[in-house]
Amino acid sequence: EDQVTQSPEALRLQEGESSSLNCSYTVSGLRGLFWYRQDPGKGPEFLFTLYSAGEEKEKERLKATLTKKESFLHITAPKPEDSATYLCAVQRTYKYIFGTGTRLKVLA
Amino acid sequence: NAGVTQTPKFQVLKTGQSMTLQCAQDMNHEYMSWYRQDPGMGLRLIHYSVGAGITDQGEVPNGYNVSRSTTEDFPLRLLSAAPSQTSVYFCASSYSGQGVVNTEAFFGQGTRLTVV
Repeated sequence: EDQVTQSPEALRLQEGESSSLNCSYTVSGLRGLFWYRQDPGKGPEFLFTLYSAGEEKEKERLKATLTKKESFLHITAPKPEDSATYLCAVQRTYKYIFGTGTRLKVLA
Repeated sequence: NAGVTQTPKFQVLKTGQSMTLQCAQDMNHEYMSWYRQDPGMGLRLIHYSVGAGITDQGEVPNGYNVSRSTTEDFPLRLLSAAPSQTSVYFCASSYSGQGVVNTEAFFGQGTRLTVV
């Protein structure tokens, strides 16, 4: 059965304290792994797409990596404005399968 | 470009009432989908469409109908609202090339529905 599991469920960091979010997946025929950011009351906003093991992508303080079984979203020196829920999704044919997200709170 | 536009943003229904959630996109995307988001459950696929005139069921389709008469619009109909349908609903669209979806989804801002 296709499944996406994100950990931790919630994470509190001090400003500048780097950490990583995990997304473990089992899916046959993976077509892509996606990271989204969701702010309260808003729709998910696209961050990254990763297609193959070993691939890495960066955007400001965020870096996403992919292995055959999991993906990490590394947050370097986070700021309070990085506080949000981060969603991971895998794509199989026409369907995206989402994890339940990691709620990140960065304290000033 | 407006992207994906959902209306209304908020709605309160009584049990048994019907309504339609509207979704429109201006990116000429072939693939559109509806999700519901509940605490602790993540985003769950309700229905999706790979092009005008073509729709299919997702993970949680019961109690919902869809149709796709144009590329731009993908309305979601609640036939007889139930308290279990209280949720936040998101519409999304994606580009599909050569009949295969392999790009990121663009989401609307959501409709917060309460059924009392």
